Amino acid sequence: GENVEQHPSTLSVQEGDSAVIKCTYSDSASNYFPWYKQELGKRPQLIIDIRSNVGEKKDQRIAVTLNKTAKHFSLHITETQPEDSAVYFCAASRSYQKVTFGTGTKLQVIP
Amino acid sequence: GAGVSQTPSNKVTEKGKYVELRCDPISGHTALYWYRQSLGQGPEFLIYFQGTGAADDSGLPNDRFFAVRPEGSVSTLKIQRTERGDSAVYLCASRASPNTGELFFGEGSRLTVL
Repeated sequence: GENVEQHPSTLSVQEGDSAVIKCTYSDSASNYFPWYKQELGKRPQLIIDIRSNVGEKKDQRIAVTLNKTAKHFSLHITETQPEDSAVYFCAASRSYQKVTFGTGTKLQVIP
Repeated sequence: GAGVSQTPSNKVTEKGKYVELRCDPISGHTALYWYRQSLGQGPEFLIYFQGTGAADDSGLPNDRFFAVRPEGSVSTLKIQRTERGDSAVYLCASRASPNTGELFFGEGSRLTVL
């Protein structure tokens, strides 16, 4: 089955700096890669996703890049703000079926 | 309803007891997922329904775990002979259709096995 690895497990950045979270996946048939944000005590919520026919996608301060050959994808957050502090999960799926999550990255933005 | 609803929000039980956790997905959503999340970990896949049938139950850890979705809407996760290692937050999520990706999660049911 699919295995998703995520790094780093924790990340501290100064407000205004950029943050990058990286994930690798094992199943070359995976074609959908979402990112979820989970604030403390809250439910995970989708923040951005990318499909395998696209190399990069951007939405305001967040962007995701995908390298199918290397089977890795990354989340980039620019101009970080304190409200970006949360746990971020990457995930991989084949045709929107079983969704396998990474272990999470706890991002702390220091004001 | 407006979102995915899970009950109970908290459940404390004794080792060896039977537990049922309920999920009410967003109205009209065809796909429903169960995940288990331990502290500091990512959601661990348990089972996924498309309609009434289990499309993939490869994540159920053993035969003490069972889930049903008899009418293609509400789902119940059933855990028999609970063990302390079953303690976790059980998350339910629904998805609108086979051709959309976003999972909408509930608030979770926190299960504590003493």
